[in-house]
Amino acid sequence: NAGVMQNPRHLVRRRGQEARLRCSPMKGHSHVYWYRQLPEEGLKFMVYLQKENIIDESGMPKERFSAEFPKEGPSILRIQQVVRGDSAAYFCASSPPWDSYEQYFGPGTRLTVT
Amino acid sequence: DQQVKQNSPSLSVQEGRISILNCDYTNSMFDYFLWYKKYPAEGPTFLISISSIKDKNEDGRFTVFLNKSAKHLSLHIVPSQPGDSAVYFCAATTRGAAGNKLTFGGGTRVLVKP
Repeated sequence: NAGVMQNPRHLVRRRGQEARLRCSPMKGHSHVYWYRQLPEEGLKFMVYLQKENIIDESGMPKERFSAEFPKEGPSILRIQQVVRGDSAAYFCASSPPWDSYEQYFGPGTRLTVT
Repeated sequence: DQQVKQNSPSLSVQEGRISILNCDYTNSMFDYFLWYKKYPAEGPTFLISISSIKDKNEDGRFTVFLNKSAKHLSLHIVPSQPGDSAVYFCAATTRGAAGNKLTFGGGTRVLVKP
């Protein structure tokens, strides 16, 4: 039973480019969360999605960031016109469709903006 | 506004002894608490959780204690093993809120010395 998968594991972008981060939840999980971890800090909630719906995006920056979880395929976190401050580890987590407080995390994507 | 705080950034303990990690929270709406363990370049792994209706939960070498009046919880690891060396994150959520998003503390780095 494969866990949460994220790719790429490492992504280098120049300032102004776009970054696309992908997350495939665990089999049977329909809830996806994205978190960001800046260096030497804890994880910060960004967005919570269910299939084809954004449920809570209260942690997402208002500009340049967007997320989706289509009916088919992985969840995508998209960062447009990246800046150096976007350099961080981005973690995706998933949970099952029933009420569950335990989230299972992927290995993360480390984004470096040069 | 840090709603979950781990005031000790690091902890060093001898193998076989007890590790005690502390966590404080300010949001009285939090009613479910989790501990995650994280190795470098990996995603957080769920360890143990506790509901606010309990004051203790035990799972093998891991015990979590909750003091609601003090808004404080702690994780005890006994006996500590070298493989326990990792960063530990405390997290909190509010049941029933849309999405069960987790609010994390800043983490405590534990080093277990052989």
